[in-house]
Amino acid sequence: EIVLTQSPGTLSVSPGERATLSCRASQSVSPTYSVWYQQKAGQSPRLLIYGGSIRAPGIPDRFSGSGSGTDFSLTISRLEPEDFAVYYCQQYDGSLTFGGGTKVEIK
Amino acid sequence: QVQLVQSGAEVKKPGASVKVSCKTSGYTFSSYGIAWVRQAPGQGLEWMGWISPYNGNTNYAQKLQDRVTMTIDTPTTTVYMELKSLGSDDTAVYYCARVLISVGCEADYWGQGTLVTVSS
Repeated sequence: EIVLTQSPGTLSVSPGERATLSCRASQSVSPTYSVWYQQKAGQSPRLLIYGGSIRAPGIPDRFSGSGSGTDFSLTISRLEPEDFAVYYCQQYDGSLTFGGGTKVEIK
Repeated sequence: QVQLVQSGAEVKKPGASVKVSCKTSGYTFSSYGIAWVRQAPGQGLEWMGWISPYNGNTNYAQKLQDRVTMTIDTPTTTVYMELKSLGSDDTAVYYCARVLISVGCEADYWGQGTLVTVSS
């Protein structure tokens, strides 16, 4: 079973700044199966990125995903007030695994 | 529009079972799987498994496979998740989500969540 480790646990960023979130897998995985979600307090998760780098419909282009092998990342180029939330990565290898999440908070 | 509407909150005693429903609409039911994901209070997301409405195939998380059962009712496009032998660590919000099993299993639409509280 793949284990996903997200870092940092909490990221303090000012609005307008860039944020880069990391997701490291315990073994090599295909970018095809790399997915990112955003979750705000009291809400269901929202799909941001799938296939490693494909933005889901309606997701602004300030969100981008990249990576290969065991290292994947989500970058938010210029943080907007509505982007402060918890972000989860996901991998699928027959079983589905989530990372522990990164909380992006206002600095 | 695509919608997944879940049943209401439940309070159960330890050792009991719970069955949560997920009524889907707005898309071809057989074309997407339904995954179940739970989230304990203040914690992250935990995948429980998925079911394919196309052929009824299931894939359960290893740690839950002895206690969880996912079923479908095709005429009503509703999916059910039953969890047995509940313990306090099963207290969580339970989500259903639409997934493309054949690709990366990304969940593009989610239900609103169902809070299950296990307490004596």
